[in-house]
Amino acid sequence: ETGVTQTPRHLVMGMTNKKSLKCEQHLGHNAMYWYKQSAKKPLELMFVYNFKEQTENNSVPSRFSPECPNSSHLFLHLHTLQPEDSALYLCASSQDEASATYNEQFFGPGTRLTVL
Amino acid sequence: AQSVTQLDSHVSVSEGTPVLLRCNYSSSYSPSLFWYVQHPNKGLQLLLKYTSAATLVKGINGFEAEFKKSETSFHLTKPSAHMSDAAEYFCVVSDRTGGFKTIFGAGTRLFVKA
Repeated sequence: ETGVTQTPRHLVMGMTNKKSLKCEQHLGHNAMYWYKQSAKKPLELMFVYNFKEQTENNSVPSRFSPECPNSSHLFLHLHTLQPEDSALYLCASSQDEASATYNEQFFGPGTRLTVL
Repeated sequence: AQSVTQLDSHVSVSEGTPVLLRCNYSSSYSPSLFWYVQHPNKGLQLLLKYTSAATLVKGINGFEAEFKKSETSFHLTKPSAHMSDAAEYFCVVSDRTGGFKTIFGAGTRLFVKA
C-alpha cells in the first residue's frame, strides 16, 4: 500500500512509561517528518529531518525526542507523556525538504497512541 | 504568511451526486497546492497537486481541482460520488515563505449516503 511503514500501529502507555515509535521508508527519500493528528485539530508538524539533520522542531515538548539514524529510519521516543498527547502520530517522507514544496509527501498509516 | 481554509468541516452527499469540497488559501509566493485523502485508520494519500502548470488538475479516482488565482481557491470536485469516497480530505498549501513551509487545512469529512 505504501512505501512508509510505522510500528506499532497501536500503543497504550501509562504516563511514566518510556516507549518509541518507529518509521521506515523504502522510497529512497532524504526528508522525513513526524506529525501529530488529534481529533478536531489540523495536522500538526512536529519535526523535520533532511539528510539526517533536524531542520524543524515545531515547539514540541521535550517529552518527545526524535532520532534519525539514517535517511530511511525515524524514531520518536516518548517519555512521561500526558493524556492530552493521545493522538495519531503520522510519519511521512519526501524526496528532500526543499522539493516538498512541489512534490508530495508519502505518509505511513500512523501509530494510534493512547496515554492513560 | 501562508494559510489554508477548508470552508466546510463536514459535507454529506448522496451516492451518484456531485462532490464539492472547498478550499481557500493565502500565499505570498506562487504556491503549490495539494489535496490528500485519509480513510479511517490510514495515512494520507495524495489525490492531486497543482504546481504552476495547468490550472485544472486531474487526480485519482475521478477527482479534479481547479486553481483560481483571482479567487485564491482550489476546490476539489467529482462528478459522481461513490460510497468508497467517504473519507477525510485535506487541502494543503506549500511555498517558500520563510523557508520551505507546508500548511495543512483542518480537513473536510465527506459522508456518502446510499
